[in-house]
Amino acid sequence: DTGVSQDPRHKITKRGQNVTFRCDPISEHNRLYWYRQTLGQGPEFLTYFQNEAQLEKSRLLSDRFSAERPKGSFSTLEIQRTEQGDSAMYLCASSPHLREGRETQYFGPGTRLLVL
Amino acid sequence: AQSVTQPDIHITVSEGASLELRCNYSYGATPYLFWYVQSPGQGLQLLLKYFSGDTLVQGIKGFEAEFKRSQSSFNLRKPSVHWSDAAEYFCAVVHASGGSYIPTFGRGTSLIVHP
Repeated sequence: DTGVSQDPRHKITKRGQNVTFRCDPISEHNRLYWYRQTLGQGPEFLTYFQNEAQLEKSRLLSDRFSAERPKGSFSTLEIQRTEQGDSAMYLCASSPHLREGRETQYFGPGTRLLVL
Repeated sequence: AQSVTQPDIHITVSEGASLELRCNYSYGATPYLFWYVQSPGQGLQLLLKYFSGDTLVQGIKGFEAEFKRSQSSFNLRKPSVHWSDAAEYFCAVVHASGGSYIPTFGRGTSLIVHP
């Protein structure tokens, strides 16, 4: 068990560019979550998957944000046409599927995005 | 809308002193309650969680929290703080929303430990 990993750890991009982040969950976990964390704030829920199914995506910040988990293992979060306001830490977490809402989420170290 | 309030942005304590971090939530029913810790450069780690039953829950690293329904609170405590406890602490609530269970985090409390 190597924990949740995220790649890259840091990303600097210019406004208007697209970026994609990857998350590799703990291997036996079938739930995967994405969050955004801005400075001085707690994590803000964006979306989550159970296996390859995206169960909740209404909290994605705009239609520029999308996430996939095509084979139910790793996931990607893409931001199109980045804006300076997208600068934040993007966190991924995974959990086993236990009784709804009671799962312990295991967080990765995050990807820090800076949009110039 | 559901919300989580951590009223203290920063808390400073001396090593060996006791600690209490406050958390209040706004939700119609009893939600699932969590405390996480985030150390610099590391991912969030679960300290403890409450679903039902005994309102005093024990967690890792000597932390405990007490659920008080009448006050809509879930405060985190530790009897004697160690320098390694310096970190950011987040209270979180998981609530049902349209068939999904959505986590909502507070803004966090930064713990500073003086030697």
